[in-house]
Amino acid sequence: GESVGLHLPTLSVQEGDNSIINCAYSNSASDYFIWYKQESGKGPQFIIDIRSNMDKRQGQRVTVLLNKTVKHLSLQIAATQPGDSAVYFCAEKGTGRRALTFGSGTRLQVQP
Amino acid sequence: GAGVSQSPSNKVTEKGKDVELRCDPISGHTALYWYRQSLGQGLEFLIYFQGNSAPDKSGLPSDRFSAERTGGSVSTLTIQRTQQEDSAVYLCASSLDDSGKLFFGSGTQLSVL
Repeated sequence: GESVGLHLPTLSVQEGDNSIINCAYSNSASDYFIWYKQESGKGPQFIIDIRSNMDKRQGQRVTVLLNKTVKHLSLQIAATQPGDSAVYFCAEKGTGRRALTFGSGTRLQVQP
Repeated sequence: GAGVSQSPSNKVTEKGKDVELRCDPISGHTALYWYRQSLGQGLEFLIYFQGNSAPDKSGLPSDRFSAERTGGSVSTLTIQRTQQEDSAVYLCASSLDDSGKLFFGSGTQLSVL
């Protein structure tokens, strides 16, 4: 069946280092991908999105990479800061499907 | 308001009672979603409203769950005869269109004793 999953449930990095959070998806018909950040007690917050006709998109300190060949998505955070500590979710939406399907999340811990 | 508003933020109820959770989406957003998040888990899709179209109820876990959206704006999620396994954070989101870019509220923490 369709699924969106993450390789690492917890990622610990040092402040200032770059972080890479990975996500695999199984629905080859997915055409829209999105990363969310969720801090404790809050709802998920949009970070960055990418459509299937692209393989890279950059934002402020964040980059999303999409490899459709192996159905892999990653979020790169440059110069990770303590405020980046949160749970990160990838999500995908397929053509004709109305709602996002979310992965199980990766917790990012930034060590000072 | 500026964002998606949900109320109450916390709800404690007894097993067997009915609960209503409210969501005020961002003004002008035509699509509204309900998701459920159990402790330490990802988001589970429940139901989706888009304009005047029939809602997509494919994610509702049982017939104890229902939702309405009045006037294309405010939505209410109702859980009848609550069970302990219903305990979770219920998140509402809205989007400007059907693109998939969702804006979430802070959720309602439901605890069924």
